[in-house]
Amino acid sequence: EPEVTQTPSHQVTQMGQEVILRCVPISNHLYFYWYRQILGQKVEFLVSFYNNEISEKSEIFDDQFSVERPDGSNFTLKIRSTKLEDSAMYFCASSDGTGLSMENEKLFFGSGTQLSVL
Amino acid sequence: AQTVTQSQPEMSVQEAETVTLSCTYDTSESNYYLFWYKQPPSRQMILVIRQEAYKQQNATENRFSVNFQKAAKSFSLKISDSQLGDTAMYFCAFMSYNNNDMRFGAGTRLTVKP
Repeated sequence: EPEVTQTPSHQVTQMGQEVILRCVPISNHLYFYWYRQILGQKVEFLVSFYNNEISEKSEIFDDQFSVERPDGSNFTLKIRSTKLEDSAMYFCASSDGTGLSMENEKLFFGSGTQLSVL
Repeated sequence: AQTVTQSQPEMSVQEAETVTLSCTYDTSESNYYLFWYKQPPSRQMILVIRQEAYKQQNATENRFSVNFQKAAKSFSLKISDSQLGDTAMYFCAFMSYNNNDMRFGAGTRLTVKP
């Protein structure tokens, strides 16, 4: 069964450093997403991406965050200058977008990257 | 590795009736958390209910309750008195107590019909 893969599974970084979280969505999918979950809190939507541009983003997704699809397979989340409060589990998801409306879309999630900012 | 299986891709229910969404999981761990998340078209992931594996009592949250069968590795969600606003994707999720490795199921699309 095709799956969304995320690397690394764990990443430790120093405050102020840049990090790039990597995701390989399912190959025929067109819509890509990042979510995060701070320990003990709910899973939060960050951003959605389609046709090489951001289609939606939440208030969490400020100027410190960016996303990119550098080639035909990877989808990355970059945090330019990490803060302690960026420590969280980050989930990538993708969907094929073949539903007749957004309500028919189905997301497949990766297993997450645990980011620890020290 | 942990796996989470939701065997019902789609379900529908009449308004005011009760519906049960199935979820099974596979793990060798004894301490973990289980969740049900609701995802409306807005794409937010809304936590519906959470269960700690060490608790025998089934979690309840207003109209939502779970049937947690640890030996069977089953964690179903029951929605009572279904409302139109319950229409959404529902994801079952497993989180390891030790490493916060969270795994989601593929989701069940629930439609509540008037």
